[in-house]
Amino acid sequence: TQLLEQSPQFLSIQEGENLTVYCNSSSVFSSLQWYRQEPGEGPVLLVTVVTGGEVKKLKRLTFQFGDARKDSSLHITAAQPGDTGLYLCAGSNFNKFYFGSGTKLNVKP
Amino acid sequence: EAQVTQNPRYLITVTGKKLTVTCSQNMNHEYMSWYRQDPGLGLRQIYYSMNVEVTDKGDVPEGYKVSRKEKRNFPLILESPSPNQTSLYFCASSLFLTYEQYFGPGTRLTVT
Repeated sequence: TQLLEQSPQFLSIQEGENLTVYCNSSSVFSSLQWYRQEPGEGPVLLVTVVTGGEVKKLKRLTFQFGDARKDSSLHITAAQPGDTGLYLCAGSNFNKFYFGSGTKLNVKP
Repeated sequence: EAQVTQNPRYLITVTGKKLTVTCSQNMNHEYMSWYRQDPGLGLRQIYYSMNVEVTDKGDVPEGYKVSRKEKRNFPLILESPSPNQTSLYFCASSLFLTYEQYFGPGTRLTVT
């Protein structure tokens, strides 16, 4: 069962543009995480959000957890080619993890 | 260096031949987990372990076994592999309270 839906699945943009990736669910999660994965490697954790309405910033990346703890968004400002990769959201409940299917981002120079 | 290691990184085997994929972490993490990643499906949790001798099923446990006899090791066992278990497998670990997972480099398994 896919509890987390990510959109869009693919995103190809020019360097300098802004973008937002969404992660939605009908389930409430105790925490939500965002990972980035490069080809041939394991996912790397970017951020964990635990409180409804929480906003966290990591340089040009802004993460938001929905008030009801069912959804999250990742906003990238002025994207750079180094941001290219697969972005995954993951929700956790009762010691289990559920991942979205990912958003493949390509930032063209 | 803090890391999660997996072996082997690549494995091609035949249907029914038992295999084990090893996973080891050097961060003294309590929580360890196995995932499989398939195109369009993201990562799906196979099994997880809260600590030594404590394991539980994830979303897709059928056809897999695990054991946690030592805190640092969490092997994944396929007793009788089938072609539908062809996938990219990741092991991950984290501290119990944070659940901020560190992933291994992955094992690409092909079952013919």
